[in-house]
Amino acid sequence: QQPVQSPQAVILREGEDAVINCSSSKALYSVHWYRQKHGEAPVFLMILLKGGEQKGHDKISASFNEKKQQSSLYLTASQLSYSGTYFCGTPEAYYNAGNNRKLIWGLGTSLAVNP
Amino acid sequence: GAGVSQSPSNKVTEKGKDVELRCDPISGHTALYWYRQSLGQGLEFLIYFQGNSAPDKSGLPSDRFSAERTGGSVSTLTIQRTQQEDSAVYLCASSPNQGANYGYTFGSGTRLTVV
Repeated sequence: QQPVQSPQAVILREGEDAVINCSSSKALYSVHWYRQKHGEAPVFLMILLKGGEQKGHDKISASFNEKKQQSSLYLTASQLSYSGTYFCGTPEAYYNAGNNRKLIWGLGTSLAVNP
Repeated sequence: GAGVSQSPSNKVTEKGKDVELRCDPISGHTALYWYRQSLGQGLEFLIYFQGNSAPDKSGLPSDRFSAERTGGSVSTLTIQRTQQEDSAVYLCASSPNQGANYGYTFGSGTRLTVV
């Protein structure tokens, strides 16, 4: 079951904040976050494994709610370099996720940061 | 190598021809994945390898698609009798092992165009 990302697109001015959500109707084993710039490969940002977990580096952080049905990616004081498409991915097989690395992905959130 | 290397970066082929896409993962990464990405779409799982074996081939779209990995390193994705719907960016990724705690490192992809 594909996770649902929202919003589909965001336009920001430099310095503004954004939140991108990744939701599922059932609990997720884990959530991966990636950023992909146009014409480039997706780049790994972080993984969240535990309900209630918060993780981050610099001005990009993420949370995983207690029920593990939603993860949010927080971009604060956005920079031009943050522009790109953000994807969340989750292992398909919840109960076998330790051995099954098949990730299914949201459709992405396009983020544009303008000067 | 320092990153995941894919070749060719671009491939234009005539409908009905066979193509081979190559992926050279990060040295020491035992897990290797193939995904494809169509315009405006998320990533679609094709196959993954743990070492030289492929525990999950469920994502291969048809029997025209096959993949192998030799020496726990380089992988080749072969598409026989290509069709126009095969046009997409084919992404390869690797990770240290198949555990859930590791993010992927993606290559830059092969853009396949079937004319």
